[in-house]
Amino acid sequence: DAGVIQSPRHEVTEMGQEVTLRCKPISGHDYLFWYRQTMMRGLELLIYFNNNVPIDDSGMPEDRFSAKMPNASFSTLKIQPSEPRDSAVYFCASREQGGAMGYTFGSGTRLTVV
Amino acid sequence: GDSVTQMEGPVTLSEEAFLTINCTYTATGYPSLFWYVQYPGEGLQLLLKATKADDKGSNKGFEATYRKETTSFHLEKGSVQVSDSAVYFCALSGTGNQFYFGTGTSLTVIP
Repeated sequence: DAGVIQSPRHEVTEMGQEVTLRCKPISGHDYLFWYRQTMMRGLELLIYFNNNVPIDDSGMPEDRFSAKMPNASFSTLKIQPSEPRDSAVYFCASREQGGAMGYTFGSGTRLTVV
Repeated sequence: GDSVTQMEGPVTLSEEAFLTINCTYTATGYPSLFWYVQYPGEGLQLLLKATKADDKGSNKGFEATYRKETTSFHLEKGSVQVSDSAVYFCALSGTGNQFYFGTGTSLTVIP
């Protein structure tokens, strides 16, 4: 398996623009997670899905953030409109039911909003 | 609720020094415990894990033992290398299989 695949690896956008981050989880993993990492706040869980259904989105910072998982092999995290304080590395991770094998993380998308 | 507390960094060591990064946890039930490593510019990678008390996880010369009596899962390595410079995260899989990550400990190994 190629692991969790995220795209793009880097994104630079202007304030006010819409940004869409993409994630392909490992086949057969039931859970998908979106995290944000910054120097100030560390690793923050934004939202997670189980069998494509959003379970907990309490970490989504504002209504500008939205996430979807239309099928088991694809998820998006959208920021509209983007702001400079959204600049961070966004990680997607997936895992099997049960959790004993841990998470597999993607390589992340480094977002810079100017 | 479930949580993980790991030692503050940053940690700076000379090559071949002994490494300990402390991690303690709070959990109901019997969590699984993990150490993840994040190299610069990369995502988190599973380093090792232990699923029950007294289990020892090991990988790449790193070890950690699941100690239920002290609710700890300290990461150790006998002789660090420059290539071990990274951020290390302790984590647990607890109630409802929810994962909880520590804040991360940055390690720099100097030649």
